[in-house]
Amino acid sequence: AQSVTQLDSQVPVFEEAPVELRCNYSSSVSVYLFWYVQYPNQGLQLLLKYLSGSTLVKGINGFEAEFNKSQTSFHLRKPSVHISDTAEYFCAVRGFNFNKFYFGSGTKLNVKP
Amino acid sequence: SQTIHQWPATLVQPVGSPLSLECTVEGTSNPNLYWYRQAAGRGLQLLFYSVGIGQISSEVPQNLSASRPQDRQFILSSKKLLLSDSGFYLCAWIRSSGNTIYFGEGSWLTVV
Repeated sequence: AQSVTQLDSQVPVFEEAPVELRCNYSSSVSVYLFWYVQYPNQGLQLLLKYLSGSTLVKGINGFEAEFNKSQTSFHLRKPSVHISDTAEYFCAVRGFNFNKFYFGSGTKLNVKP
Repeated sequence: SQTIHQWPATLVQPVGSPLSLECTVEGTSNPNLYWYRQAAGRGLQLLFYSVGIGQISSEVPQNLSASRPQDRQFILSSKKLLLSDSGFYLCAWIRSSGNTIYFGEGSWLTVV
């Protein structure tokens, strides 16, 4: 079975500062990894995904994430955040041979002016 | 392009009343369909998923049930709501051969 851990429930950061949101997963099989963003009272939108190939994945809104198989991590980064990045971010994992997606508990990013 | 519709957007129901949340997907056929619940301050809990008409897999024993009467329609139901059923319910889908899950806008359920 797969599981996802997001260690930080909230991350406060000032505008234009860099940010890293941490995600670790556990799986006995190879996985696909995803980051989603959720704005208040909305569904989840895909930010980026890792399926195979380059371990550095670039997504929308200037976000990127790096897949590290040895550390079973898929941390999300942005070099300079904006107020509009304030939202909740979810890491997710899907096993190659399963129809299920498992999500972390989410990290609330609060960008302050 | 594919779209997903979920309704109602907001629902306030008394304890013991029934529930029906509906989700439809347009622009694709034979999608995998999902119901998730997001309780306040918690992550997403997978409730049900379906790989085809009439095929429902339940992830968590609970007061809810799901049905898929048509290829692109997924319904979440309850005969008698509990206070603990309150939360934000999200429908989602992926192509049968796809690898990315897409979400609807969600339905807020408050049981009073």
